[in-house]
Amino acid sequence: QGQLVQSGAEVKKPGSSVKVSCKASGGTFNNNAISWVRQAPGQGLEWMGGINPVFRTTAYAHKFQGRVTITADEPTKTAYMELSSLTSGDTAIYYCAGPPSYYYYGSGNYYPFEYWGQGTLVTVSS
Amino acid sequence: QSALTQPASVSGSPGQSIIVSCSGTSSDIGSYDYVSWYQHHPGKAPKLIIYDVSHRPSGVSNRFSGSKSGNTASLTISGLQAEDEADYYCNSYTTTSTRVFGGGTKVTVL
Repeated sequence: QGQLVQSGAEVKKPGSSVKVSCKASGGTFNNNAISWVRQAPGQGLEWMGGINPVFRTTAYAHKFQGRVTITADEPTKTAYMELSSLTSGDTAIYYCAGPPSYYYYGSGNYYPFEYWGQGTLVTVSS
Repeated sequence: QSALTQPASVSGSPGQSIIVSCSGTSSDIGSYDYVSWYQHHPGKAPKLIIYDVSHRPSGVSNRFSGSKSGNTASLTISGLQAEDEADYYCNSYTTTSTRVFGGGTKVTVL
């Protein structure tokens, strides 16, 4: 069974940027499409955006447009999420998530999130 | 894109059935059958329990079932068990090719 492994916890200053990685290892992954989801303390899950490397497409939630960049390196099966202009409101656990191996989604972004990374805590504090 | 609307909490006794609703609009739930549900225990990664409105991934208990009518999706948990106590989130694809979660529902087993 494959898994998604994320980079470690980060502490950042307000106004700076953070880049979190998510590597697919083992098992069979479905074209390496990845979405990023975050959960702030005491809050619910929030979709930030996603990438479909095969079709070279990205989609971002309106809330994060201009502040988030999602990229992927296919040979290493690693996706990245970079968030800039950080504020204390960005303190959260950030998850990457991917589709089931059996699910066809073509160039779309509608796949269910079966595989999840372990989460990366990003703390923004002065 | 506003979050989908879920009740903050739902409770039930062991063995009972409960329903968690997820209300959206014609721009998300009403337009596609790409609704999924996630079970989230604190400190762990979320778990997919329903996809494409009513399909269960392999290994997920058949006590979980999903449905949709118009702009509202629903998750039913039958034969409620103590281990079902968790937060539940719905998610939908939208007409702007983005995804949106519900605010989450805390399920309590009395």
